[in-house]
Amino acid sequence: GESVGLHLPTLSVQEGDNSIINCAYSNSASDYFIWYKQESGKGPQFIIDIRSNMDKRQGQRVTVLLNKTVKHLSLQIAATQPGDSAVYFCAENISGTYKYIFGTGTRLKVLA
Amino acid sequence: EAQVTQNPRYLITVTGKKLTVTCSQNMNHEYMSWYRQDPGLGLRQIYYSMNVEVTDKGDVPEGYKVSRKEKRNFPLILESPSPNQTSLYFCASSLSRTGLGGYTFGSGTRLTVV
Repeated sequence: GESVGLHLPTLSVQEGDNSIINCAYSNSASDYFIWYKQESGKGPQFIIDIRSNMDKRQGQRVTVLLNKTVKHLSLQIAATQPGDSAVYFCAENISGTYKYIFGTGTRLKVLA
Repeated sequence: EAQVTQNPRYLITVTGKKLTVTCSQNMNHEYMSWYRQDPGLGLRQIYYSMNVEVTDKGDVPEGYKVSRKEKRNFPLILESPSPNQTSLYFCASSLSRTGLGGYTFGSGTRLTVV
C-alpha cells in the first residue's frame, strides 16, 4: 500500500498502554491545530482539533495538549488498540490565513 | 456515505504524457485542495479552490493545473509529467474555507512518472 515514508520516527506501544505522540509546530502565529491519523493505503483522517485559546481538549480515548510557550502539541491515546496503528501527524493553521503546515508524522506501532 | 473519491488509485506513466487525476466530493463542500505527500516531508499544497471557478496556487504549483467547473469536481492535470512529480497525491475538501473541523481526504493516487 501507499507508504507515507520510510524514515518516520516510530513509537512502539504495548496494547492497552497509553501512547503519547509529540509535535513541535513552527509558527508562533498559528492559532488552530489538528491531529490526523493516516492508516496504510488510506488518506489522512481527522482525529481532534484545538484552538490556541485552549490548553487541553479531550475526545473519545484521545486528548490533545497544547503548550504555546514552547510551541508543542501532543496527542495522548488511552488504552491503545491494534486499530490505532498508523502514522499520526499534526497540522497548524496560521492565523488569518487559509494555509496549513503539516508535520511529517510519527508511526505508531501497537504490540500485541 | 460522505466521501472524497479520487481516480485512479495507481498510475504509471511516461515523461511528457498528459494525465488527469479526478477528484469528486459528495458533501457539497465549497473548499477543495490538492496535496502531494513525499517521504520525509509533510503534505504540501499544490492548488486549492474556494468555490466554483475560483482557484489559487498553493506552495508547489509548478507543473500542475486545476479546474473547478462544478462544485463537486476538482481535477488535477499534469500537462507534461516529469519524474520529479512521482508522488502520492491527495485531494481534500472542507465545508469551511478555513478548514475548521479538518479536511476530508481521498484515499490517494500513487503516481509514478518514468
